[in-house]
Amino acid sequence: GNSVTQMEGPVTLSEEAFLTINCTYTATGYPSLFWYVQYPGEGLQLLLKATKADDKGSNKGFEATYRKETTSFHLEKGSVQVSDSAVYFCALAREAGTALIFGKGTTLSVSS
Amino acid sequence: EAGVTQFPSHSVIEKGQTVTLRCDPISGHDNLYWYRRVMGKEIKFLLHFVKESKQDESGMPNNRFLAERTGGTYSTLKVQPAELEDSGVYFCASSQGYARSDTQYFGPGTRLTVL
Repeated sequence: GNSVTQMEGPVTLSEEAFLTINCTYTATGYPSLFWYVQYPGEGLQLLLKATKADDKGSNKGFEATYRKETTSFHLEKGSVQVSDSAVYFCALAREAGTALIFGKGTTLSVSS
Repeated sequence: EAGVTQFPSHSVIEKGQTVTLRCDPISGHDNLYWYRRVMGKEIKFLLHFVKESKQDESGMPNNRFLAERTGGTYSTLKVQPAELEDSGVYFCASSQGYARSDTQYFGPGTRLTVL
């Protein structure tokens, strides 16, 4: 079936460190891929998305590339800030439907 | 433009009681989704409305859950009777289109605790 696997957290980094959160997926067809972020006390916000192989989504210094050959969509940021502390969710939308399928989420904590 | 709103933000009820959650989507969004996250688990899809019609309710766990969207505007999700395993955060989302690439905008969620 369709599924998303994220690296287990929490991830603890110092400010200005490099961030990678791994995400791999299993899906039939050609899903769209998303990263959502949930800041403390808030709802989920779309961070970035990619709809086809080799697309790169980017926003707020975060990037992720849709790699069909490795079925991955890893999230990266070159220099994290304290304000990036949040829970990050990788998700896919199946080709045939519209329900999002989420990973378990990865908690990121950045200290100054 | 107002985002997706949900009410209440928190609800604490006893096992066996009834709770109704409400979601107001972004104005003009025909598509409305319900999801929930049980502690430590993935966010799971519950159902999808297109206007007032249920497009996909494959994620509804059992018949204790009833979702409605009368008039194609706001939606309610009723749990009756509530069980302990229903505790979690219930998210609502809306989107304008329903292609797989369309962005779903999420509300802040309702945290439900069943004691």
